[in-house]
Amino acid sequence: TQLLEQSPQFLSIQEGENLTVYCNSSSVFSSLQWYRQEPGEGPVLLVTVVTGGEVKKLKRLTFQFGDARKDSSLHITAAQPGDTGLYLCAGAPNTGNQFYFGTGTSLTVIP
Amino acid sequence: KAGVTQTPRYLIKTRGQQVTLSCSPISGHRSVSWYQQTPGQGLQFLFEYFSETQRNKGNFPGRFSGRQFSNSRSEMNVSTLELGDSALYLCASSLSTGSTEAFFGQGTRLTVV
Repeated sequence: TQLLEQSPQFLSIQEGENLTVYCNSSSVFSSLQWYRQEPGEGPVLLVTVVTGGEVKKLKRLTFQFGDARKDSSLHITAAQPGDTGLYLCAGAPNTGNQFYFGTGTSLTVIP
Repeated sequence: KAGVTQTPRYLIKTRGQQVTLSCSPISGHRSVSWYQQTPGQGLQFLFEYFSETQRNKGNFPGRFSGRQFSNSRSEMNVSTLELGDSALYLCASSLSTGSTEAFFGQGTRLTVV
């Protein structure tokens, strides 16, 4: 059972376009993280959101945590080829360190 | 400071064998979690160790086990390997149990033939 569903699963866009990735669940999370993973490497933490409604910006990336702490979105403005990778959301349903990972969104940005 | 170090990076084993993977967390981090990543199932939680004690366990058979040493380094062991155990095994380091952030190593790519 996947607690976190991401959409879309695959995304191929041209350099300069904008995109949004969604991470949805029926469960409430105490915190939610976004990671980017490149082939053969471990996921790299991009951001952590903990408060319902929270918005965080990391250069061209904007992360939002839903008011009910059940969903999140990642918006990339003016995508660049360096943004290519697998984007994963991960939620912690309680205060332990057991993170549930989303299904992943594979992003390809074409120069 | 150094990141999370996993060894070895690559491993090929035969069905029925056992394997031990190692993880050194970020200096000062005391929680280590292990995950299995496969194309079909994505990232799945195996277990978490904190202060040499297993704090959480995922839904994996008893063939998967782990331990943590007093210096916070952790090992995971898989016995009686099956073809389906082929995966990228990732170790995540956190400051403490209950942390909101986890930092991953590069992983160990295990291939069972």
